[in-house]
Parts: sequence; C-alpha cells; structure tokens
Amino acid sequence: NAGVMQNPRHLVRRRGQEARLRCSPMKGHSHVYWYRQLPEEGLKFMVYLQKENIIDESGMPKERFSAEFPKEGPSILRIQQVVRGDSAAYFCASSPDSSIGELFFGEGSRLTVL
Amino acid sequence: KQEVTQIPAALSVPEGENLVLNCSFTDSAIYNLQWFRQDPGKGLTSLLLIQSSQREQTSGRLNASLDKSSGRSTLYIAASQPGDSATYLCAVSARRALTFGSGTRLQVQP
Repeated sequence: NAGVMQNPRHLVRRRGQEARLRCSPMKGHSHVYWYRQLPEEGLKFMVYLQKENIIDESGMPKERFSAEFPKEGPSILRIQQVVRGDSAAYFCASSPDSSIGELFFGEGSRLTVL
Repeated sequence: KQEVTQIPAALSVPEGENLVLNCSFTDSAIYNLQWFRQDPGKGLTSLLLIQSSQREQTSGRLNASLDKSSGRSTLYIAASQPGDSATYLCAVSARRALTFGSGTRLQVQP
C-alpha cells in the first residue's frame, strides 16, 4: 500500500513563473491537507480539501495560491507568479476521514525560486 | 489561537542516554496530539498518536504522555541511539488541522 505520493520532489522556478505541486493520497483516503515549511521554521497549515471541495483554506495566502482536489486524479497546489519568499518545502498529508485522526505525510516538494 | 512550543530547540546527548522532549500548547480543547520525526530533507514519519481521552502511548523505546488540562506532552526516548538523530515535531489537532511546534533537533553522539 503506497504512502502519500508527492511530485515533483524538487522544483526550481524563476520569479514570475507558475509552480504546480501534486499530491496523491494514500489508497482509501479522501481527505488531503497541504502544509508549508519555510526554512528553519515549523510547518504551517495551508488548506484542507475533500474530493471536489475546499473545506478550510484559512492558512492559504489570499493571492497567487490555489488548491484543488478533483474527483479523479491528484490534489494540486498551484502557485502563480512565484516570488523568492515562496521558496519552501510543501507537504501533503492525507487521512481516511474527517475525524482528524492520524495524518500520513508525503516526502514533500521542495520549491526553489531563483 | 493555538500555539505549540517545544523545548529544548536542540539537544545533543551521548548514545545510551534516556531523554525527554517537551511540548506545550495553549488551548486544551484538542482532539489529539501527534509526535513526528523528520529527517533532514525528508518528510514526516508519525511516531505516536495520543487521543485526547488518553494519557499515554508507547511504541518500542518511545513513550509519549499527555496532560490535556495543563497543556503539556512529553516524549520519552529510552536508550538513545545515533539512528534517533532527527528533528522531533509535536502537533495538536483542533477542528480541521494540526498545529505544529517548531521541533526539537536531537543529535545522539556515538
């Protein structure tokens, strides 16, 4: 049973480009969470999604960031017009239901903005 | 707003020592508390999950306790090994997401 799969593992973008990060949850999990870890800082919650629904995006910056979890396919975190401050590790986690039980994390996607 | 604090921020011990990592949180209305391990450049590995109704959980050389009323948790690592070297993160859940502490960087010297 594969764990949470994230790709790409490493992504380099120039300022102003777009970054797309993908997350496939564990089999049987329909709840996905995105977290961001800035260098030398803790993980910060960004957004919580179920299939086709955004449940809580209170941690997401209001501009340039968006997330989706379509009926088919992985969850995608999209960052438009990236800036150097977006350089971070972006982690995805999944759970089987909404009871906030144990979360299982992927290996993360490390975004570097030049 | 929930805040999670981990003390110490860094810890270096010789192999074989027993050690305690501390975690405190400001809002006791939590569903559960989870301890994770993070190796450099890697993702998070779940170590122990304590439900709010529980007092402790054990897995091998690890034991985690939870005192919800005082807003504290400890992670006890027995007979530490160099392979235990990593950053240990504490996270509490409330509503829909986990709130993480900044972690304790542990180095176990051989």
